Amino acid sequence: DAGVIQSPRHEVTEMGQEVTLRCKPISGHDYLFWYRQTMMRGLELLIYFNNNVPIDDSGMPEDRFSAKMPNASFSTLKIQPSEPRDSAVYFCASSWGLAGIRGWETQYFGPGTRLLVL
Amino acid sequence: ELKVEQNPLFLSMQEGKNYTIYCNYSTTSDRLYWYRQDPGKSLESLFVLLSNGAVKQEGRLMASLDTKARLSTLHITAAVHDLSATYFCAVDVRARGTSYGKLTFGQGTILTVHP
Repeated sequence: DAGVIQSPRHEVTEMGQEVTLRCKPISGHDYLFWYRQTMMRGLELLIYFNNNVPIDDSGMPEDRFSAKMPNASFSTLKIQPSEPRDSAVYFCASSWGLAGIRGWETQYFGPGTRLLVL
Repeated sequence: ELKVEQNPLFLSMQEGKNYTIYCNYSTTSDRLYWYRQDPGKSLESLFVLLSNGAVKQEGRLMASLDTKARLSTLHITAAVHDLSATYFCAVDVRARGTSYGKLTFGQGTILTVHP
């Protein structure tokens, strides 16, 4: 299995621009998570989906952030407009939700997208 | 609000020595994870602890969970340089009526093993 795939791996943009981060979860996983990692705040859960439906978006910092999961194999996290304080590493993770499958409880992380907003 | 605190945050060890990283959390949970992160890399799952008294071992690392004390430990035995990384614990606390998966991470412990 290719694991969780994220694109782009690096993104440099200017303040005010729209940024779209993409994630392909591991095939068969029905949970998908978006995290943000910064030096100041550590790792934070932004939003997660179950069967393509957003379950909890309480970690989304503000209305400039939005996430979608149009199908089981693709999710996007969009920032519009971007600000310098959005600079961070954004991780996508996925997992099984069905108890009993080996490794079902583990969240598998993608390589991350390093975002720099100038 | 759930708080997850790791101790120490920085750990410099000599090769061959033993040490323990502690993870305290502030509310009831019986689901705790340990992850490893190498510089500039993603997070790799090390252990999942799903019940009080759970103990898991892999190589030189051993993790345990005491849900009554709200404490997990990651014990390192006879450290080697390859163990140098940042180690995170994460706690999953489900709010009533919600599904699992909402992890709250500790600050991370930066481990450096030197000769």
